[in-house]
Amino acid sequence: DSGVTQTPKHLITATGQRVTLRCSPRSGDLSVYWYQQSLDQGLQFLIQYYNGEERAKGNILERFSAQQFPDLHSELNLSSLELGDSALYFCASSGPLAGDYSYEQYFGPGTRLTVT
Amino acid sequence: GIQVEQSPPDLILQEGANSTLRCNFSDSVNNLQWFHQNPWGQLINLFYIPSGTKQNGRLSATTVATERYSLLYISSSQTTDSGVYFCAVERDSNYQLIWGAGTKLIIKP
Repeated sequence: DSGVTQTPKHLITATGQRVTLRCSPRSGDLSVYWYQQSLDQGLQFLIQYYNGEERAKGNILERFSAQQFPDLHSELNLSSLELGDSALYFCASSGPLAGDYSYEQYFGPGTRLTVT
Repeated sequence: GIQVEQSPPDLILQEGANSTLRCNFSDSVNNLQWFHQNPWGQLINLFYIPSGTKQNGRLSATTVATERYSLLYISSSQTTDSGVYFCAVERDSNYQLIWGAGTKLIIKP
């Protein structure tokens, strides 16, 4: 058990809908990362938050947004869903940043999203 | 951007065999991690190893940063070792992990 929790574990929804994925980091970790794993694209970084602020952005679509709340949990919002958004979405967390370098990232169990 | 290549892409072994998985990266990195994704999709941290050698039970890893590669050794394989092994790196202080395509390992009883 990594200490990172994600809900829900599975989500089935229709095209055009909006969903929210939730992540709670390990106790004490300030950074939260979101990754998408799809069959054709592999694992890709979406976005990172550090202590409530957006820190880095990867291949995140404009239809997707995220935030980190004062209690450090994070939510990833996916809207206007398309069939191609079906994927496993992982959240990871890491400890306080030293200088510019991240520490080891610990991954949650993932949310499997199926868009029909 | 940085390229991460893993080899071999697939590996089928009998239980009890040893294996070596390789990760090559195209530029210097600040962070390198090895993960095991089990058949249920869970990503399990194996090693945080930007340089040097570490061991954890039957698994060990070595990263030679100056030559831009890392090796994961699995000894006395068990069926529970089956899954996909990923190498992921970070550079440029941009915090994101860049992933290799993985090595799919199947251990037969």
